[in-house]
Amino acid sequence: EVKLVEYGGGLVQPGASLRLSCEASGFTFSDFYMEWIRQAPGKGLEWIAASRNKANDYSTVYSASVKDRFTISRDTYKSILYLQMNTLKPEDTAIYYCARGYYGYTHWGQGVMVTVSS
Amino acid sequence: DIVMTQAPLSVSVTPGESASISCRSSKSLLHSNGITYVYWYLQKPGKSPQLLIYRMSNLASGVPDRFSGSGSETDFTLKISRVEAEDVGIYYCGQLLENPPTFGAGTKLELK
Repeated sequence: EVKLVEYGGGLVQPGASLRLSCEASGFTFSDFYMEWIRQAPGKGLEWIAASRNKANDYSTVYSASVKDRFTISRDTYKSILYLQMNTLKPEDTAIYYCARGYYGYTHWGQGVMVTVSS
Repeated sequence: DIVMTQAPLSVSVTPGESASISCRSSKSLLHSNGITYVYWYLQKPGKSPQLLIYRMSNLASGVPDRFSGSGSETDFTLKISRVEAEDVGIYYCGQLLENPPTFGAGTKLELK
């Protein structure tokens, strides 16, 4: 069974940093694109970052809204996806989901809340 | 970025009746390989989104065949036949033709 479990969220002040983790199990981690998608309170879905699979050298892509502030990475031995978030802004407040990309986002984690507020 | 526009923003349906949700993209989602890269997701209240339809018309694993997707290059429709209570939630269309992936604003389905 495919499982994605995010953790690491919390309340931080503007300008702070936070690292989210997503533990994956039930599939070969290196074979799949892994992505972060967020949802601000009461709002829709916003894709923010992707880590392509091993066949694509684990290359990364970012949305304009987080480029140069957020870094997506993965530990292929532990099957963990990370999102390092720096210089956080109030508008980064959202539920952050990790998702497995293959013929669409077929599997999603339960989400983790990040609140950026003073 | 490709803009995905959904209509209506909300729909109220009698259980057992059918419902349709529309989605329009700002550019063609038909790739030269013949695949149309539009997807449909359902987010049930308090839950993570789940994939319903991939590549315009293909039913995702475990999704009831009451759901179906259709469309052209820029206009897409999700149809739900015989709506049930478990179908309540927000439906999103999304595209994976180009980076960044984008989603529609969502359509809220409620029961009458």
